[in-house]
Amino acid sequence: QVQLVQSGSELKKPGASVNISCKASGYTFTRYSLIWVRQAPGQGLEWMGWINTNTGNPTYAQAFRGRCVFSLDTSVNTAFLQISSLKSEDTAIYYCARVGSSYYNFFDPWGQGTLVIVS
Amino acid sequence: DIQMTQSPSSLSASVGDRVTITCRASQSISRSLNWYQQNPQKAPKVLIYSASRLESGVPSRFSGSGSGTDFILTITSLQPEDFATYYCQQGYSPPWTFGQGTRVEIK
Repeated sequence: QVQLVQSGSELKKPGASVNISCKASGYTFTRYSLIWVRQAPGQGLEWMGWINTNTGNPTYAQAFRGRCVFSLDTSVNTAFLQISSLKSEDTAIYYCARVGSSYYNFFDPWGQGTLVIVS
Repeated sequence: DIQMTQSPSSLSASVGDRVTITCRASQSISRSLNWYQQNPQKAPKVLIYSASRLESGVPSRFSGSGSGTDFILTITSLQPEDFATYYCQQGYSPPWTFGQGTRVEIK
């Protein structure tokens, strides 16, 4: 079945970097774009941006430009989110999700989420 | 950026109740509106896409309506597993923004 599996929880110190992976299975990886979403503790969903898995071209939401980098390794059907210069405010669960349809732009399925704690 | 505003932010309801959640866009988004359910400690799950299309496997007690700027998610006969947080999301133009969420709690 179509599935996204993310890497495990991370505990990082302020100023460090974190790299989160999102491995896809059950479909042709390069046919569907992927998005990244942040959810701070007790808060809502914040769209960070998306990456075209065919071209590798990333697009970042304004709030995430500069310290966030989306990348791919298409040989292993995996997307990556790197966040540098971590701050305590980056403590959150980070989700990847597949853009289920390039026409409707809804997100399905989602990865299980990766908790990043900056402390 | 298109702003999405949900109301109410939270509501209390009983099993069997009919529940409606509203989502308003800051500009017309045609029918490019999707709804998600998030249970505690779980990833979101899509319920409705393109304003009214039910995702495969989603119970028929969920329905969506609206176009332009105003949209509604309706849950008829609320079930115990429906107590969760619901988000709308516009797919009209990037950034594909979410509403702030509506928490449905047990009365």
